Amino acid sequence: DIQMTQSPSSLSASVGDRVTITCRASQSISSYLNWYQQKPGKAPKLLIYAASSLQSGVPSRFSGSGSGTDFTLTISSLQPEDFATYYCQQSYSTLPTFGQGTKLEIK
Amino acid sequence: EVQLVESGGGLVQPGRSLRLSCTASGFTFGDYAMSWVRQAPGKGLEWVGFIRSKAYGGTTEYAASVKGRFTISRDDSKSIAYLQMNSLKTEDTAVYYCTRRGGYYDSSGYFYYFDYWGQGTLVTVSS
Repeated sequence: DIQMTQSPSSLSASVGDRVTITCRASQSISSYLNWYQQKPGKAPKLLIYAASSLQSGVPSRFSGSGSGTDFTLTISSLQPEDFATYYCQQSYSTLPTFGQGTKLEIK
Repeated sequence: EVQLVESGGGLVQPGRSLRLSCTASGFTFGDYAMSWVRQAPGKGLEWVGFIRSKAYGGTTEYAASVKGRFTISRDDSKSIAYLQMNSLKTEDTAVYYCTRRGGYYDSSGYFYYFDYWGQGTLVTVSS
């Protein structure tokens, strides 16, 4: 199985901050990397697919980059509604795996 | 509007069985692979398995943790996907989400992602 490791596991930030979350794969996965946002008690929501493509309807302050084993999700200017948990997920393998999550909290 | 609605969750004893349903609307169900993803209380997301569309054989793949115990099936005439869970263990306790597996081909290969999710249904395995 391909292991996905996110860092940090949690992060405190303020409205307006620029935030970066990192995801590392245990082997090269090219650009087969997706990002999801999950708010408490809700289903996850797709933000970014294929490492850098923004899902329809997702604000442009979200962006993704990377290829191979190292990827980043960046929020350019945090809004109150962005405080949530973020997960990366590889789709290189037929059997997908998720990172453990990064909880973004208000400072 | 795409909608996925799970049902069938509840409290079940270890070793028993339970079947979850996922009723889809707003898209041509038969054209898509459908997946199940679960989340144990306070934990992260774990992919459970998926079923391909009939165009790709309708075959299934499963995570090692559920292989041999769980079975995914689909009824395209009713736009429903099922998750049959047998020999349940306490560690199967989780919210189970039904997801649509979207994707596309380009020169690099096939990119897939989980673009729509249901609201989830809670399965509690306890004596």
